[in-house]
Amino acid sequence: QLQLQESGPGLVKPWETLSLTCSVSGGSIGSNSNYWGWIRQPPGKGLEWIANIYYSGRTYYNPSLKSRVTISVDTSMDHFSLSLRSVTAADTAVYYCARQVFGNFHFDYWGQGILVTVSS
Amino acid sequence: QSALTQPASVSGSPGQSITISCTGTSSDVGGYNYVSWYQHHPGKAPKLMIYDVTNRPSGVSIRFSGSKSGNTASLTISGLQADDEADYYCGSYTGSSTWVFGGGTKLTV
Repeated sequence: QLQLQESGPGLVKPWETLSLTCSVSGGSIGSNSNYWGWIRQPPGKGLEWIANIYYSGRTYYNPSLKSRVTISVDTSMDHFSLSLRSVTAADTAVYYCARQVFGNFHFDYWGQGILVTVSS
Repeated sequence: QSALTQPASVSGSPGQSITISCTGTSSDVGGYNYVSWYQHHPGKAPKLMIYDVTNRPSGVSIRFSGSKSGNTASLTISGLQADDEADYYCGSYTGSSTWVFGGGTKLTV
């Protein structure tokens, strides 16, 4: 059974960089069958797709966040990462990592999420 | 990329049926048959319930069904059970490997 687990600091100061990692177990992150993505949910709001990455490193970003986001993958460590620069209180959210199978158009496995608060 | 529109809340009694709508545009819901629905119990990982508008993943109850008409997709849950009480989110492919989700609907049973 594929499992995803987010990790990273729960508190980030304004204008600093938020960095999260998603560890994948029960499957290979380097499989050419999968895309890996980040999705967030601000308190009291809906889900917002942030970015996807293919195992090869090809990336796709939400246009509204593209200027501040980098997604990367480390196939040797079976994890992928998110970096969000110059954060503000509006970036406070639960951040989820998820899998999208190549050729499918939905996210079939999700992590439990990690709450990241932006505050001084 | 604007969020898809869902009702904030719906409610029903055990055994009844409810429908949750998800309204987008011709650039997302109306343009692709790639609408998915997710069930989210707070503190847990979201769970895929419906994909490609009408398809159920293995293990998902047949009480859950999906449909679409124009720019609006719908999730219907029949024979409501207490465990169905959760937040539900729709999502849609929007082209060029990008996605958009809805604001979520809180289902009270």
